[in-house]
Amino acid sequence: SQQGEEDPQALSIQEGENATMNCSYKTSINNLQWYRQNSGRGLVHLILIRSNEREKHSGRLRVTLDTSKKSSSLLITASRAADTASYFCATEWDSSYKLIFGSGTRLLVRP
Amino acid sequence: SAVISQKPSRDICQRGTSLTIQCQVDSQVTMMFWYRQQPGQSLTLIATANQGSEATYESGFVIDKFPISRPNLTFSTLTVSNMSPEDSSIYLCSATQGWKEKLFFGSGTQLSVL
Repeated sequence: SQQGEEDPQALSIQEGENATMNCSYKTSINNLQWYRQNSGRGLVHLILIRSNEREKHSGRLRVTLDTSKKSSSLLITASRAADTASYFCATEWDSSYKLIFGSGTRLLVRP
Repeated sequence: SAVISQKPSRDICQRGTSLTIQCQVDSQVTMMFWYRQQPGQSLTLIATANQGSEATYESGFVIDKFPISRPNLTFSTLTVSNMSPEDSSIYLCSATQGWKEKLFFGSGTQLSVL
């Protein structure tokens, strides 16, 4: 089964609102990563947060990590129509080098 | 950073035929991976492409069906053999320049099997 599960599966918001997506995982990790995918094409890396970090920012993105709950959240502030995409969290699998992707959240930002 | 060129970007194939997907990275990378993404689903790791040796396949994927080559540090191919409609998916090449660091992705190959 997948390492990460995300919720919600789909999210529809108005431009300018904030979007929050959550990711839960099962095993211990060294880091957790978030990716964006537009229209079923290649993924783009957004941000990496290490297991000893609790929060990280990059532009309009804010990621939190709670290793005790094995969960992470991605917050996109002041959303834009161009943020419409699928967002995936990714973690290691069995402490190996392999990245396993969560189920994804489909975000729709309405103009 | 690394830029990955993947081709073809899409193809429509007949049942029983094979398709080879090429992946070229513009700089040296440590590891290369192939993922499959079925319609509306997340990514599933097919295999790790090892330079100069046999790829390491994940459960549910076998070399006879998905032969992979990686003759050097920056190039890899994935062949989808004896295709059936169930193979219709997006196939994604990815690579990393470090250990447990971020992945770079190609733009994907959208495969439809009739």
